[in-house]
Amino acid sequence: SSELTQDPAVSVALGQTVRITCQGDSLRSYYASWYQQKPGQAPVLVIYGKNNRPSGIPDRFSGSSSGNTASLTITGAQAEDEADYYCNSRDSSGNPLFGGGTKLTVL
Amino acid sequence: QVQLVQSGAEVKKPGASVKVSCKASGYTFTSYYMHWVRQAPGQGLEWMGIINPSGGSTSYAQKFQGRVTMTRDTSTSTVYMELSSLRSEDTAVYYCARDGVLVGASTDYDAFDIWGQGTMVTVSS
Repeated sequence: SSELTQDPAVSVALGQTVRITCQGDSLRSYYASWYQQKPGQAPVLVIYGKNNRPSGIPDRFSGSSSGNTASLTITGAQAEDEADYYCNSRDSSGNPLFGGGTKLTVL
Repeated sequence: QVQLVQSGAEVKKPGASVKVSCKASGYTFTSYYMHWVRQAPGQGLEWMGIINPSGGSTSYAQKFQGRVTMTRDTSTSTVYMELSSLRSEDTAVYYCARDGVLVGASTDYDAFDIWGQGTMVTVSS
């Protein structure tokens, strides 16, 4: 089995840039996807594949990957970006796997 | 519009079973895989399994093998997730989530692009 490791909490000043990372061996073989979840709501896909944004996701969200680390970057963070963020890749069996989540606070 | 609508909250006793439904609309039901993901209170997301709405084939996370059954009804565009032998640790919000990749395609990423609103399942004596 595999694991995806995320920092539990990250903070960013309003309007600044923040990077949320996800580490795991499977990221050498699979791209990460990223989900935003606000309290009491279902997750929302914000980045998938190499660096693709679903329709309606602002272009301040971007994704990248290097080795065993995937990153979600928010350029010019807004108050409404405060949420939990989860990365998703695959485990050693090829099944979907989620990271533990990162709570983003916008100061 | 594309949406997934799940059944309502459930309260069950330990040892019982629960069956959650997820009705799809706004797209061709049989063209996209469907996953089930759960989230315990204050915890992260946990993948449970996948069903191919076209042929009905399934694959489950090892943790739930023997306790979970996923089925579908193509006449109503609905998928179901039944979890048996419930215990307190199964208390969670259960989500269905559409896989954005077409059935039959292979990718090196996941993209759960549409999610149901979630169904709270509480297991308590």
